[in-house]
Amino acid sequence: EVQLMQSGAEVKKPGESLRISCKTSGYSFANYWINWVRQMPGKGLEWMGKIDPSDSSTTYSPSFQGHVTISGDKSITTAYLQWSSLKASDTAIYYCARHDYSTSSDYWGQGTLVTVSS
Amino acid sequence: DIQMTQSPSTLSASVGDRVTIICRASQTISSWLAWYQQKPGKAPKLLIYKASSLESGVPSRFSGSGSGTEFTLTISSLQPDDFATYYCQYYNSSPYTFGQGTKLEIK
Repeated sequence: EVQLMQSGAEVKKPGESLRISCKTSGYSFANYWINWVRQMPGKGLEWMGKIDPSDSSTTYSPSFQGHVTISGDKSITTAYLQWSSLKASDTAIYYCARHDYSTSSDYWGQGTLVTVSS
Repeated sequence: DIQMTQSPSTLSASVGDRVTIICRASQTISSWLAWYQQKPGKAPKLLIYKASSLESGVPSRFSGSGSGTEFTLTISSLQPDDFATYYCQYYNSSPYTFGQGTKLEIK
């Protein structure tokens, strides 16, 4: 069974750093990209970027380039999304999703709520 | 970058109704379009990929059509479980832009 299990909710202060995770299982990690998607409170879905776990290459949306870093660890089939300096506007739910070239994002994590507040 | 525009933003309908949601791309995207359903507090769920292919396990009352710049998601006979928010997404070359969403409400 394909599963993407995300790390738990986080409460951080502005300026702090953070890394959230997406642990995958039930399929070959290297064969599917992982997307990260943001959903701000009461708003729609925004594609942030992706990683190709086979070579750890990444692609970012222009809206998020330079603000977040996507990475992965093939040895533990886990993808990460990290910030070096959080802002209040980073408060959102973040989803990871397995991406197939043909079918798009077919399996999703449960989401990680990140709250940034002083 | 390609922009995706959905209409309407909100749709009120009754159980048993046939409803259609439209998604337009700012330039031609062939059939590289997916539709997702999202319920409050839950992750999105893939319904349709490649514009018209039904994801495994999705009820046949859901269908997708279109190519190029205009696409539709149709629910043939609304069921109580279908009241949710629906998103389209372009997914051939990045950025994989989502539409702004259509909230399907009970009339």
